Amino acid sequence: NAGVTQTPKFRVLKTGQSMTLLCAQDMNHEYMYWYRQDPGMGLRLIHYSVGEGTTAKGEVPDGYNVSRLKKQNFLLGLESAAPSQTSVYFCASGLTSGGGNEQFFGPGTRLTVL
Amino acid sequence: AQRVTQPEKLLSVFKGAPVELKCNYSYSGSPELFWYVQYSRQRLQLLLRHISRESIKGFTADLNKGETSFHLKKPFAQEEDSAMYYCALSVQGGSEKLVFGKGTKLTVNP
Repeated sequence: NAGVTQTPKFRVLKTGQSMTLLCAQDMNHEYMYWYRQDPGMGLRLIHYSVGEGTTAKGEVPDGYNVSRLKKQNFLLGLESAAPSQTSVYFCASGLTSGGGNEQFFGPGTRLTVL
Repeated sequence: AQRVTQPEKLLSVFKGAPVELKCNYSYSGSPELFWYVQYSRQRLQLLLRHISRESIKGFTADLNKGETSFHLKKPFAQEEDSAMYYCALSVQGGSEKLVFGKGTKLTVNP
């Protein structure tokens, strides 16, 4: 079991460039999430999905788009990168259970926008 | 609105000393709370959840609904406990979103 994987691990973009971050999970989880982690801000939810073909906005969705064409994959797109999007991006997946929703995190993608 | 507050950005203790990381929440529903930990250069991982009432790596946390708190405690800190700790609140309603606090960086000195 690989768990949650993310590609790429690192990326440097110039302002205005676009890119897609890929998240994959092999745990058959229904729910998937994209967060960004910034110093002093904790983790903030960008977008999430409660199942294949569905997406919804989180706390900080502006400037990002997502797609969940397959249950195991959740893509995060930046159409026109801005320096304010320099951050570490984490993907997570989870499922509900009687014991509450544990989320499993990927290793993160460190993105720098110049 | 739901909110999680971790009042300490940084916490430094000596090895063997007790440690308490504070977490307060605001939520109108029935709260489900978690502590996640992120060791240096590693991914976030679940440390414990209130519903399990378990002790992991010597850490415990008790949900106090009256004080809306879920403080994380350990009686004798170890150097390997140095990490970033996040308190999180699960928001019900079909999305099972987590609302995170801003985190507390714990440093355990030798």
